Amino acid sequence: NAGVMQNPRHLVRRRGQEARLRCSPMKGHSHVYWYRQLPEEGLKFMVYLQKENIIDESGMPKERFSAEFPKEGPSILRIQQVVRGDSAAYFCASSPTPDQNTEAFFGQGTRLTVV
Amino acid sequence: QQQVKQSPQSLIVQKGGIPIINCAYENTAFDYFPWYQQFPGKGPALLIAIRPDVSEKKEGRFTISFNKSAKQFSLHIMDSQPGDSATYFCAAGGKLIFGQGTELSVKP
Repeated sequence: NAGVMQNPRHLVRRRGQEARLRCSPMKGHSHVYWYRQLPEEGLKFMVYLQKENIIDESGMPKERFSAEFPKEGPSILRIQQVVRGDSAAYFCASSPTPDQNTEAFFGQGTRLTVV
Repeated sequence: QQQVKQSPQSLIVQKGGIPIINCAYENTAFDYFPWYQQFPGKGPALLIAIRPDVSEKKEGRFTISFNKSAKQFSLHIMDSQPGDSATYFCAAGGKLIFGQGTELSVKP
């Protein structure tokens, strides 16, 4: 019964490169949420996806960031032309339903460092 | 309004003490209030959660108190242990709006 799997755990990118972060939800979960955690700060909601649909992207920066959750395969958070300020821990969570009161399970995160 | 305000930012207690962490929210549409525990280098893990139709919930040594009229909720950790030293986050709503976190240190 694997939990939420994120990879890679650590990612180093030079400024201007692209970063791709992957998240495989728990088995049976079709709802995925992405969060960003800056050092010494809380988690900030970025985007909520269901299979093949973006439901809420109100927390996503308008430029350079995109997310998808295809019918097959993991959810991908993509950051184009990374800058130093993108350095953070990125967490995804999954849940079986979109309802409130349903526990969301978090992955271990991907720690992105932009050099 | 989507903010959730959490205090204190850090907290030090002696073993056996009862740390209390407070959160306040603004959006009355929020219907789910979980607390997460996070250890360094790990993802957040759900501790306990409450809905606004109850004023208190206990699970083991963890208790949530909820005040709907004040739009506030708090986490109490009974008989705290050094292993409870971690960062605690409150959250609200279905897509989880998080507080800023409280770094708890329990001294032996």
